[in-house]
Amino acid sequence: EPEVTQTPSHQVTQMGQEVILRCVPISNHLYFYWYRQILGQKVEFLVSFYNNEISEKSEIFDDQFSVERPDGSNFTLKIRSTKLEDSAMYFCASSVLAGLSYEQYFGPGTRLTVT
Amino acid sequence: AQSVAQPEDQVNVAEGNPLTVKCTYSVSGNPYLFWYVQYPNRGLQFLLKYITGDNLVKGSYGFEAEFNKSQTSFHLKKPSALVSDSALYFCAVSSGGGSYIPTFGRGTSLIVHP
Repeated sequence: EPEVTQTPSHQVTQMGQEVILRCVPISNHLYFYWYRQILGQKVEFLVSFYNNEISEKSEIFDDQFSVERPDGSNFTLKIRSTKLEDSAMYFCASSVLAGLSYEQYFGPGTRLTVT
Repeated sequence: AQSVAQPEDQVNVAEGNPLTVKCTYSVSGNPYLFWYVQYPNRGLQFLLKYITGDNLVKGSYGFEAEFNKSQTSFHLKKPSALVSDSALYFCAVSSGGGSYIPTFGRGTSLIVHP
């Protein structure tokens, strides 16, 4: 069964550094998402992406965040200048289509630790 | 605004016993409800969803969930728990209003004891 993959599984970085989290969505999916989960808290939506454009974003997704689909398979989340509070598990997800009834398929996550 | 509450951080059940993981929601329109499961070192995996129709929804691995509109609940159930069901379970809701993005709960850790 096809899966969403994410790399790296764990990233440790110093405050102020840039990080890029990588994801390979399921190949025939058209919509891509990033979520994060701070330890012990809810899974929070960051951004959705379709047709090389951001289709929706949350208040969390401020100017320090950006997303890109640099080629036909990868989907990346960049954090320009990391803060301690960015430490979280970051999940990538994809769906065939977007809509209320379509489930999303998630990757295993990247644990980001900012020191 | 939409929200989901999973009132239990952890549920413990003996293998072979029935299990229930609770979820309540709040939306302004019709709810679209989902359950996901997360095994260690894996991503969230879709279990089942309620869109419309029968209130009892059957999903993967023998799980089912009952939509109760009057109680705004969507509890996850399984008649006989397995040790391998031990995982983190997330309830999610979406309801339109211009966005199809689901809102997730905090997750409930299910521990099934042998």
